[in-house]
Amino acid sequence: GQQLNQSPQSMFIQEGEDVSMNCTSSSIFNTWLWYKQDPGEGPVLLIALYKAGELTSNGRLTAQFGITRKDSFLNISASIPSDVGIYFCAGHPRDNKLIFGAGTRLAVHP
Amino acid sequence: NAGVTQTPKFQVLKTGQSMTLQCAQDMNHEYMSWYRQDPGMGLRLIHYSVGAGITDQGEVPNGYNVSRSTTEDFPLRLLSAAPSQTSVYFCASSFRTGTGELFFGEGSRLTVL
Repeated sequence: GQQLNQSPQSMFIQEGEDVSMNCTSSSIFNTWLWYKQDPGEGPVLLIALYKAGELTSNGRLTAQFGITRKDSFLNISASIPSDVGIYFCAGHPRDNKLIFGAGTRLAVHP
Repeated sequence: NAGVTQTPKFQVLKTGQSMTLQCAQDMNHEYMSWYRQDPGMGLRLIHYSVGAGITDQGEVPNGYNVSRSTTEDFPLRLLSAAPSQTSVYFCASSFRTGTGELFFGEGSRLTVL
């Protein structure tokens, strides 16, 4: 079946550093989305991308829909302790089945 | 506005028992879905529904049944629980099918002994 390869698996950074994570697929996706999950809660949508090449920001977060439609990245600038959590990419192939990457676990050291 | 409500939050079952995980949304969302989350594997789609009376299989449907008799409710039934079904289950909904803009419940942690 479809798979998303998300990297890195985990990151441990200092407060104030910038963070970058990405997601790739072997097939073309029609949408790319980024979610964040805090411990003990369900994921929450951060950014949704619908067009190849689209670059979208949400506060300190910036995400891009790759021009080949097979990848996406998420950047977090000037990280703060509340950025801790698991970040998931997700995407739609040609059907209604939204699939998720395995997640990037982010830890921020004050 | 409660959003997506899942019950129970925690459940322990013995192998072979059956149970139903409840999911309700009060946002008049068209699309509803069930995911399971296992360590290192992200979220995997079990079943989804694009409207009342319409359901379809996701990536990992075996051992689970769903129905969508109303817009609000989308229960997930485990017919004969197995240890491999130990997981955290999330219900999610969106206003329109195909956007991917999901609202998630808080999750139901299931342990099968």
